[in-house]
Amino acid sequence: EPEVTQTPSHQVTQMGQEVILRCVPISNHLYFYWYRQILGQKVEFLVSFYNNEISEKSEIFDDQFSVERPDGSNFTLKIRSTKLEDSAMYFCASGSGGTGELFFGEGSRLTVL
Amino acid sequence: RKEVEQDPGPFNVPEGATVAFNCTYSNSASQSFFWYRQDCRKEPKLLMSVYSSGNEDGRFTAQLNRASQYISLLIRDSKLSDSATYLCVVSVNTGGFKTIFGAGTRLFVKA
Repeated sequence: EPEVTQTPSHQVTQMGQEVILRCVPISNHLYFYWYRQILGQKVEFLVSFYNNEISEKSEIFDDQFSVERPDGSNFTLKIRSTKLEDSAMYFCASGSGGTGELFFGEGSRLTVL
Repeated sequence: RKEVEQDPGPFNVPEGATVAFNCTYSNSASQSFFWYRQDCRKEPKLLMSVYSSGNEDGRFTAQLNRASQYISLLIRDSKLSDSATYLCVVSVNTGGFKTIFGAGTRLFVKA
């Protein structure tokens, strides 16, 4: 069964460092998403991406965040200068329709020290 | 008003009980509706889509009332394995598209 894969599964970084989280969506999907879940809290929408551009983003997705689909298979989330409050599980998801079912990766846990 | 609001929970029920989850959403332009399940420290997974006509999948029944902007999920004959967090999810496309998750309702089913 096709699946969304994410790397790394866990990353520990120092405050102020840049982090890149990688995702390989399901191959025939066209809609891509990043979500964040701080431990014990809700799944928060960060950004949606379609046709090589951002479709929608939340207030959380400020200038410190960026997304890219560099090579037609990977979908990356970059955090330019990490803060303590960026510590969370980051989930990538993909879907075949803009408002349809989402398929999630297992997440990348980011710990900022 | 929150975009998607759910019962705060948690719900603690014995095996075999019937459990009802409630959800409301604020954006009347919302187009698609889902219930997802999330196990502890795992990714969310689709439980079922929700349609205006209502739909059933075994022990699970979902209902949507667009006029009231209300979504429900009913679990009958609950099992220990139903213990998880249930997430109400709404998708909207108003030029850009996004899928918003409620905070979730935690369910504990006990023997």
